[in-house]
Amino acid sequence: NAGVTQTPKFRVLKTGQSMTLLCAQDMNHEYMYWYRQDPGMGLRLIHYSVGEGTTAKGEVPDGYNVSRLKKQNFLLGLESAAPSQTSVYFCASSYLSGGAIDTQYFGPGTRLTVL
Amino acid sequence: DAKTTQPPSMDCAEGRAANLPCNHSTISGNEYVYWYRQIHSQGPQYIIHGLKNNETNEMASLIITEDRKSSTLILPHATLRDTAVYYCIVIPRDNQGGKLIFGQGTELSVKP
Repeated sequence: NAGVTQTPKFRVLKTGQSMTLLCAQDMNHEYMYWYRQDPGMGLRLIHYSVGEGTTAKGEVPDGYNVSRLKKQNFLLGLESAAPSQTSVYFCASSYLSGGAIDTQYFGPGTRLTVL
Repeated sequence: DAKTTQPPSMDCAEGRAANLPCNHSTISGNEYVYWYRQIHSQGPQYIIHGLKNNETNEMASLIITEDRKSSTLILPHATLRDTAVYYCIVIPRDNQGGKLIFGQGTELSVKP
């Protein structure tokens, strides 16, 4: 049981390049999330998904797109990277039962630098 | 906006109890208090949560005041590995999407 894994762990991009971050979970969780964390700051929600085939915007969605084609995977895409997107990206998942809130399990993070 | 207020930093001696306060004076009746922590360079980790009763698990205890306007996370015997940023988060019971709104947190330094 690997929990939540993220690929890649590190990446350096040039301005204007595109890339996709992959998040995978093996806990059969319904909900998945993408956050970003800038230096010295708390996490901010980018996008989230409440189930396969559904996505929704979080606090800071601009410049990002997401897809949830399979329940276990949640992809975060940057179509045209900008230096302001330099950050650490965390993926998380949770299992909601009966409408109650459940805890979120986080991946190890992807450190992205945009030059 | 985060609905909680926490001190930016605290120190604690190894082996002693660490008491981390959180103010959530605008909390409503259907909102839970959750605590997460983030050890340097790692993803956040769930610690504990509660509604109005005090809670205890293998990691910590959570004391919520009777008026629910503040709470304290207690690590009973802090170790060096407890050095981390601790986040207090208020979440409604019917939180659509289960979103977490992180504030600045408290940076706890456990010293030998």
